[in-house]
Amino acid sequence: GDSVTQMEGPVTLSEEAFLTINCTYTATGYPSLFWYVQYPGEGLQLLLKATKADDKGSNKGFEATYRKETTSFHLEKGSVQVSDSAVYFCALSVETSGSRLTFGEGTQLTVNP
Amino acid sequence: KAGVTQTPRYLIKTRGQQVTLSCSPISGHRSVSWYQQTPGQGLQFLFEYFSETQRNKGNFPGRFSGRQFSNSRSEMNVSTLELGDSALYLCASRWGESPNTGELFFGEGSRLTVL
Repeated sequence: GDSVTQMEGPVTLSEEAFLTINCTYTATGYPSLFWYVQYPGEGLQLLLKATKADDKGSNKGFEATYRKETTSFHLEKGSVQVSDSAVYFCALSVETSGSRLTFGEGTQLTVNP
Repeated sequence: KAGVTQTPRYLIKTRGQQVTLSCSPISGHRSVSWYQQTPGQGLQFLFEYFSETQRNKGNFPGRFSGRQFSNSRSEMNVSTLELGDSALYLCASRWGESPNTGELFFGEGSRLTVL
C-alpha cells in the first residue's frame, strides 16, 4: 500500500538556521505530494504541493522538489524563524483516492531565538 | 469566507457511550473528509463524502460512521466508545470530486477524550 516516511523528530534549530526535513514515499501509480503544517491548537494547512516529477513547490520561503528517481520530497528552508515552530506533515494522494491523503508521522520543529 | 467549522471543539465521554461530531465545510465545497489524529497512529483517513454519498472509506471498524446532508454539512458518529478512540478528529473540505490535486482545507478539530 501507499506510505510516507518522514525523518524522526523533534527538530530544534536556532533562528536563521537551515532546515531540511526528509520525506520519502511508496505509492502505486503517480502520486501528488504535499507538505502540510499544523500550528499549536490549529488544524492542518497546506504549505506547498507538487503534482509531477521535478516540480518544485514553494511557499513562505519553504521549498520541496518532487524527485521520482529517489521517491523523495524533502522540505527545505534557508533561514527559519521562531514563527515556523510547528509540526510538519508530508503527504501523498493518488488520482483514484479522492480526498484520501496518506500522511507521514509528522516532524515537530522548534525554532529558538 | 468562513473556514471549516467543527463542533464541539472539546468533549469528554465514558466507555460505551456514543458521540456525534459535526463539520460545516467552506461554502461551495462539496467534498468533506474525516481524519483521526493520535500520537501513536498519526493521521489516519476515516471516510469521505461527496454530494451525500460516501466515496471512500478508511480501515476503521463499523463503529465509525458518517453522513453528509444536502447542504454539504457532515456528521460522524462513533458508537460504543473505547479508550483508544480518544483522539483529535479533523474534518477537511474541498471543492471538487477528483482527481485530488487540489487543496484540502482543515478545521481545527474536535478533541475527544474517552474515560
